[in-house]
Amino acid sequence: EPEVTQTPSHQVTQMGQEVILRCVPISNHLYFYWYRQILGQKVEFLVSFYNNEISEKSEIFDDQFSVERPDGSNFTLKIRSTKLEDSAMYFCASQLAGDSYEQYFGPGTRLTVT
Amino acid sequence: LAKTTQPISMDSYEGQEVNITCSHNNIATNDYITWYQQFPSQGPRFIIQGYKTKVTNEVASLFIPADRKSSTLSLPRVSLSDTAVYYCLVGALTGGGNKLTFGTGTQLKVEL
Repeated sequence: EPEVTQTPSHQVTQMGQEVILRCVPISNHLYFYWYRQILGQKVEFLVSFYNNEISEKSEIFDDQFSVERPDGSNFTLKIRSTKLEDSAMYFCASQLAGDSYEQYFGPGTRLTVT
Repeated sequence: LAKTTQPISMDSYEGQEVNITCSHNNIATNDYITWYQQFPSQGPRFIIQGYKTKVTNEVASLFIPADRKSSTLSLPRVSLSDTAVYYCLVGALTGGGNKLTFGTGTQLKVEL
């Protein structure tokens, strides 16, 4: 069964450093998302991406965040200057078509900012 | 977005049927009801989606009454591996990407 993959599984970085989280969505899917979950809290939507552009973003997704689909297979989330409060599990998800809420989530990247 | 209310936690035993009810009193005409499951340190997993009446798949059933102000996820014959958080989500399909808005969910604990 096709699945969404994410790398790395765990990233430790220092405050102020840039990080890039990588995702490989399911190959024929058209919609891509990033979510995050701070330990013990809700899963929060960050951004959705369709047709090579951002279709929606949350208040969390400020100028420090950016997304890219550089080569038709990878989908990346960049945080330019990490803060302590960016420590969380980051999930990538992909969706085949826009007529459902059936999204496929990856295993997540645990980001720890020290 | 319709606000949803579901129990914080539920306990069950292996082999029993579990019904988790979600209240969504201000559901809109275009809203769909979707349920996700999440195990610790894993990404959420889609379970089922419905608009009205009953939907069944190989994992669960979703019962939606005529007024659509609530819905019930039914898990037949649960096992220990069904211990997870279950989320009820309500929203309209936009066709241009459908963000998921998660609440705190229902922590289901299944025991022997």
